[in-house]
Amino acid sequence: QVQLQESGPGLVKPSETLSLTCSVSGGSISGYYWSWIRQPPGKGLEWVGYIYYSGSTKYNPTLESRVTISADTSKNEVSLELSSVTAADTAVYFCARSTPPYIGVMRDWGQGTQVTVSS
Amino acid sequence: DIQMTQSPSTLSAYVGDRVTISCRASQIINRWLAWFQQKPGKAPKLLLFDASSLQSGVPSRFSGSGSGTEFTLTINSVQPDDFATYYCQQYNTYPWTFGQGTKVEIK
Repeated sequence: QVQLQESGPGLVKPSETLSLTCSVSGGSISGYYWSWIRQPPGKGLEWVGYIYYSGSTKYNPTLESRVTISADTSKNEVSLELSSVTAADTAVYFCARSTPPYIGVMRDWGQGTQVTVSS
Repeated sequence: DIQMTQSPSTLSAYVGDRVTISCRASQIINRWLAWFQQKPGKAPKLLLFDASSLQSGVPSRFSGSGSGTEFTLTINSVQPDDFATYYCQQYNTYPWTFGQGTKVEIK
C-alpha cells in the first residue's frame, strides 16, 4: 500500500520561498501523476498543480507564476516550491497520486503538512 | 475557471437518514466529477469518481449520479462514521476545482 508523507518548514517568512517534499513509500513514483492541493484554515480545497513522474507539469494559473513542482525518481519523492509567499499562502498542503488514464482522480493522499506564513 | 457550487453548505441528519448533497458546475463537465469525504485534521478520502463509480473499499451506501452540470451524492442510511465534510471536484477542465464543501452534522 503506497504511503505519501509531506514534509517541510512549518513557518515561512513573507516574500520567501516555501519548499515542501512528498516522500513516497510502498511504491514507485514512476508511472503516476502527483498533485499538490492546499487548504487554508477553515476553508476549502485548492488544486495547486501536478507533475507526471517523467517531468511534465500542469499548474493552476492563479499560482503558475510562483510555483514549481519537480520529481526525483532516484529519491522517490516529489517537491513543491512556491515563491514570494504571503499570508494568503498559509494552508495545509497535501500531495496526492493519480493513476493514468484517470489523471484527474486523486486516489491516494498524504496526511498533509501545515505551513504558516508569518514574520 | 469552472465554479463548483454545493448545496446545502450544512445539513443535519439522524443516523439512518438518507442524505443528498448537490453539486452544480458552472460549465458542462460531462461525468468528470469526484466526491471526497474529509474529517477534521485528516486528508480528503476519495469516495466516487466519474460521477458514479465507487472507489474500492467505500461502502455501497454511498452513491453518485448526474452528468453535464448537475450532480448528486447520496448516502443511504447515514452512519455515525459518515458525519464529515464532503467535497465535489471537477477534472474536466484545468484548473481542477472543488466545491466549497457540505458539512453533514448529527441531529
